[in-house]
Amino acid sequence: TQLLEQSPQFLSIQEGENLTVYCNSSSVFSSLQWYRQEPGEGPVLLVTVVTGGEVKKLKRLTFQFGDARKDSSLHITAAQTGDTGLYLCAGGSGNTGKLIFGQGTTLQVKP
Amino acid sequence: DAMVIQNPRYQVTQFGKPVTLSCSQTLNHNVMYWYQQKSSQAPKLLFHYYDKDFNNEADTPDNFQSRRPNTSFCFLDIRSPGLGDAAMYLCATSRDLLQGGYEQYFGPGTRLTVT
Repeated sequence: TQLLEQSPQFLSIQEGENLTVYCNSSSVFSSLQWYRQEPGEGPVLLVTVVTGGEVKKLKRLTFQFGDARKDSSLHITAAQTGDTGLYLCAGGSGNTGKLIFGQGTTLQVKP
Repeated sequence: DAMVIQNPRYQVTQFGKPVTLSCSQTLNHNVMYWYQQKSSQAPKLLFHYYDKDFNNEADTPDNFQSRRPNTSFCFLDIRSPGLGDAAMYLCATSRDLLQGGYEQYFGPGTRLTVT
């Protein structure tokens, strides 16, 4: 069974701080997605990484896929209150299209 | 804008009273998914349709059924809701895997309350 371990599960920081969320597995994934979900809404796709070692940037967010395609990280620089939400990593593998989700990281950014 | 729409956004039902949640999409994606999500947890896949082919997860209770009458619409039926079925229900779509389809696009969800 493929599993994605996401850490930390909860993070409360002040506006302006940096943070990193990790997503680790012993399995190889064909691709890995990061989603952000605000309370009462559905997850919104932030990025997809597919190549080992790939780094993608989305404004203050930097996403990295591990060389072996077993892990990923999300780094946020100078967090803002609008970054508050549940961050989910999800890996795709096999031929079904189904995603394996991490447990999620609840981020609270305080003003 | 192409999107995934869920109705209603909030649904209150009574214990044991059947309820249907609906999802529609304008993305023309082959695959549609239903997830159950409880607070601050990851979504849990209930089942998915690949075109008209229905795929049930092994641990999805029989109480949950689904219908997909055409490409655009998909329904989630809960035959006899229990208190433990109170959750956010999310619909998602994706393209065929051959078209690069691990990316899933979610609707805003339906928050189900069971009284």
